[in-house]
Amino acid sequence: EDQVTQSPEALRLQEGESSSLNCSYTVSGLRGLFWYRQDPGKGPEFLFTLYSAGEEKEKERLKATLTKKESFLHITAPKPEDSATYLCAVQGNRDDKIIFGKGTRLHILP
Amino acid sequence: DTEVTQTPKHLVMGMTNKKSLKCEQHMGHRAMYWYKQKAKKPPELMFVYSYEKLSINESVPSRFSPECPNSSLLNLHLHALQPEDSALYLCASSQDRGTSKFFGPGTRLTVL
Repeated sequence: EDQVTQSPEALRLQEGESSSLNCSYTVSGLRGLFWYRQDPGKGPEFLFTLYSAGEEKEKERLKATLTKKESFLHITAPKPEDSATYLCAVQGNRDDKIIFGKGTRLHILP
Repeated sequence: DTEVTQTPKHLVMGMTNKKSLKCEQHMGHRAMYWYKQKAKKPPELMFVYSYEKLSINESVPSRFSPECPNSSLLNLHLHALQPEDSALYLCASSQDRGTSKFFGPGTRLTVL
């Protein structure tokens, strides 16, 4: 069964304190791994898609990496506006479903 | 333009009402999705349309009825809902079934 586990559940950082969020996955034939940012009461905002192990993508203070078992979302020198829930999701080869992890709630203190 | 729009933003309905949620995208995407999200939980897939045909129904109760009139529009018809159906309903689209999915802002539904 396809599964996605995100850790930690919640993370509090001081402004400027870099860290990483983890997404471990089990899927039958990875078609894509997706990272989203979600603010309370709003729809998920697309950040990255990773397709194969070794792939990396960057956007401003965020960098996503992928191995055969997990993905990391690295946040460098975060600012308070980076506070949000970060969701990881995977899609396998079996069907059109994407499976979401429970998310990491990130809070950046000024 | 990477925008998915949803209307209305908020909806309050009684258990005997009939209402519809609407979703629109003009990115030429051929796959569209409905998700339901409860507070502090991840989105749960409800339906997938691919090339205007329903390809996945995640055992959703019949009081939710999806419709895809054309490649840009997706509706969700609601009838005889229960209070536990109150949630944020999200629409998403992607160029194809395996590619990046873009979400709309959601409709906050409250069933009284």
